[in-house]
Amino acid sequence: EPEVTQTPSHQVTQMGQEVILRCVPISNHLYFYWYRQILGQKVEFLVSFYNNEISEKSEIFDDQFSVERPDGSNFTLKIRSTKLEDSAMYFCASSGGTGGVKLFFGSGTQLSVL
Amino acid sequence: RKEVEQDPGPFNVPEGATVAFNCTYSNSASQSFFWYRQDCRKEPKLLMSVYSSGNEDGRFTAQLNRASQYISLLIRDSKLSDSATYLCVVGNTGNQFYFGTGTSLTVIP
Repeated sequence: EPEVTQTPSHQVTQMGQEVILRCVPISNHLYFYWYRQILGQKVEFLVSFYNNEISEKSEIFDDQFSVERPDGSNFTLKIRSTKLEDSAMYFCASSGGTGGVKLFFGSGTQLSVL
Repeated sequence: RKEVEQDPGPFNVPEGATVAFNCTYSNSASQSFFWYRQDCRKEPKLLMSVYSSGNEDGRFTAQLNRASQYISLLIRDSKLSDSATYLCVVGNTGNQFYFGTGTSLTVIP
């Protein structure tokens, strides 16, 4: 069964460093998303991406964040200068195309900022 | 006002019990409705879509009331393995999804 894959599963970084989280959405899906979840808290929407551009973003997605689809398969989230409060689980998701309106998640990247 | 609201619980129920979760949404134009299950430190996984006519999958029954903008999930004969957080998710145009805070369920032996 097709699945969303994310790498790495864990990322440890120093405050102020840049990190790139990588995702391979399900092929033929058209919409791509990043969510984050701080331990013990709710799933929070960061950004959605469609037709090679951001379609919606939340207040969390400030200038420190950016997304890219550098080729036909990868979808990346970059945090330019990490803060302690960026420590969270980051989930990539995709939908649309053959997946219809259902949202499928990757297994997440646990980001720890020290 | 939140797009999707859920009672966070926690719900602690004995094995074999029936438990119901409710969810309300604010956008009357919402088009798709789902229940997701999330285990601790794992990704949300689709449990079931919710249709206006109501739908059932084994011990799980989902209902949608568009007039009241209300979604429910009923779990019958609870198992220990049902312990998880249940997320209500509502989809709007352009494949935009809105999440409830999740309802925590613990099934006790």
